[in-house]
Amino acid sequence: DVKVTQSSRYLVKRTGEKVFLECVQDMDHENMFWYRQDPGLGLRLIYFSYDVKMKEKGDIPEGYSVSREKKERFSLILESASTNQTSMYLCASSSPTGGSSYNEQFFGPGTRLTVL
Amino acid sequence: AQSVSQHNHHVILSEAASLELGCNYSYGGTVNLFWYVQYPGQHLQLLLKYFSGDPLVKGIKGFEAEFIKSKFSFNLRKPSVQWSDTAEYFCAVNAVNRDDKIIFGKGTRLHILP
Repeated sequence: DVKVTQSSRYLVKRTGEKVFLECVQDMDHENMFWYRQDPGLGLRLIYFSYDVKMKEKGDIPEGYSVSREKKERFSLILESASTNQTSMYLCASSSPTGGSSYNEQFFGPGTRLTVL
Repeated sequence: AQSVSQHNHHVILSEAASLELGCNYSYGGTVNLFWYVQYPGQHLQLLLKYFSGDPLVKGIKGFEAEFIKSKFSFNLRKPSVQWSDTAEYFCAVNAVNRDDKIIFGKGTRLHILP
């Protein structure tokens, strides 16, 4: 059973603080993703990574950075948190696509971040 | 660029009613299609997926979806809903042979009245 865990379920930070959100998966997946989920906007991709030390910008990377030093761990960093980054953050992982199939993404429970 | 449009933001039904949630995507090439569900307080999880073959796919809990290529649609259906189907439903698309990203729709909140 794939398990994706996130370091916190709830987090409250102040404007300007540096924030680290951690994600760990235990299924040896190459791909990892960070999304934010906002009411009425669905899931929007922030960053993703296909391998250790690799990262690709998603649709809304501004204000965020990521780190992937180990295959199982993908960190999302808010260098200077702002109130408009208050959101639910979801991490996901998947195996790379093989042939004509696509391997589904497995999601963590989410971290609800509030920036005051 | 790919995009996904879900027709309804909020749907309220009574138990035993039939359900159809609309989903359209924009991408001219071959696609993989998904419906994910998020029950209150739970992880996002896969409900069903279409890769190829029979355009009518069956998922968990009695859900099914039909891929109509000519209409760029992948509507979700269930003949008789239950109170436990109350959740948020997301349609998603992946462009085959481009990358491993999937694009999500904005979601539909479904409330089932007991």
